Amino acid sequence: SAVISQKPSRDICQRGTSLTIQCQVDSQVTMMFWYRQQPGQSLTLIATANQGSEATYESGFVIDKFPISRPNLTFSTLTVSNMSPEDSSIYLCSVEGGRGKDTQYFGPGTRLTVL
Amino acid sequence: GQQLNQSPQSMFIQEGEDVSMNCTSSSIFNTWLWYKQEPGEGPVLLIALYKAGELTSNGRLTAQFGITRKDSFLNISASIPSDVGIYFCAGQAAGNKLTFGGGTRVLVKP
Repeated sequence: SAVISQKPSRDICQRGTSLTIQCQVDSQVTMMFWYRQQPGQSLTLIATANQGSEATYESGFVIDKFPISRPNLTFSTLTVSNMSPEDSSIYLCSVEGGRGKDTQYFGPGTRLTVL
Repeated sequence: GQQLNQSPQSMFIQEGEDVSMNCTSSSIFNTWLWYKQEPGEGPVLLIALYKAGELTSNGRLTAQFGITRKDSFLNISASIPSDVGIYFCAGQAAGNKLTFGGGTRVLVKP
């Protein structure tokens, strides 16, 4: 399985500011995904990030709020813009499993608290 | 959209017990995945299922892909304290998107 790291691991931010979360993978992958996990809840897909094209956002998530970059096959960033307390969540990146198998492996997550 | 109903929402385990949890869907999935998440960490893949009827084990864990492709279960045999955590099922249809169940929180009996 891929080794995935995220930075920062946690942050406390003020309302109205933005935070960029980085996701780094130890091998090249075509598809990377960003998820949100609100407190005590399950995971919800925000968007799919493919290298060389714009991210594909799920219903309820928009590019202006969650801009994503995917500059190469091992790296992606998610920005949470103009934050409010409702954005307090764990943000997780994941990558496809490869080898033709439909699996996904997750990073450790970024725990965001917005005051 | 697709929804996954995972039950139970929580359970208490006593060391040595066998426990079971399941997920049902209103629609068909091509792949079922089971993850475990511990506090402060991302979900860790436990078992992946790719064919209807498939039964797969990983140590004390056993999972099955339902024949109808709309359900899956996970069994933990002879539970131990480190089995505590939140277990998620996830179904994958077309396009690599995962839909997650609500999670089963496994706790130790006081």
